[in-house]
Amino acid sequence: QKEVEQDPGPLSVPEGAIVSLNCTYSNSAFQYFMWYRQYSRKGPELLMYTYSSGNKEDGRFTAQVDKSSKYISLFIRDSQPSDSATYLCAMGGSNYKLTFGKGTLLTVNP
Amino acid sequence: DTGVSQNPRHKITKRGQNVTFRCDPISEHNRLYWYRQTLGQGPEFLTYFQNEAQLEKSRLLSDRFSAERPKGSFSTLEIQRTEQGDSAMYLCASSLGVKGNEQFFGPGTRLTVL
Repeated sequence: QKEVEQDPGPLSVPEGAIVSLNCTYSNSAFQYFMWYRQYSRKGPELLMYTYSSGNKEDGRFTAQVDKSSKYISLFIRDSQPSDSATYLCAMGGSNYKLTFGKGTLLTVNP
Repeated sequence: DTGVSQNPRHKITKRGQNVTFRCDPISEHNRLYWYRQTLGQGPEFLTYFQNEAQLEKSRLLSDRFSAERPKGSFSTLEIQRTEQGDSAMYLCASSLGVKGNEQFFGPGTRLTVL
């Protein structure tokens, strides 16, 4: 079993839809949870960073962490065509090595 | 631009040649990381530095790979005797202090080995 599993997608939604992206993990040592956005042939861009269970909101983005279930989600409200990208979940612990999911390719259609 | 920068952005080389990549982290960030990303996969950890000290290396980093961070500023990643399997995007990230997991990535160097 991989340490981090991410819904593979691809995901295609109409503009304005609510998008839900999900990851599960197996390593209880993970304490920090990140979501990155990566456009084609670019480096990952940090979107959300959290270390506690619960919700964290930033504009149209909400990150949700459930440590008891080892499950994290990213919700995007009022999705825009500019949100079309690959979304990567990442997790880390005290050793600062991030472990990434494989990514979910999202397309938002105008 | 105060973000992480990487050079070159693209490198095409022939099998067996040596290549070197450079990463300039965000100034004042004391930790610097190298990751490798292949098509359809998330980035995989290779190694990281705290200031000038290399603290951890992944077993993905074979003897042909070496990384340095002289004076705790920029870093270089060298691959000797390149193989076709080394073709990938090499990503550098940096972070500051206790927020070590809040890592900011550069644009990457895309390596193609012919």
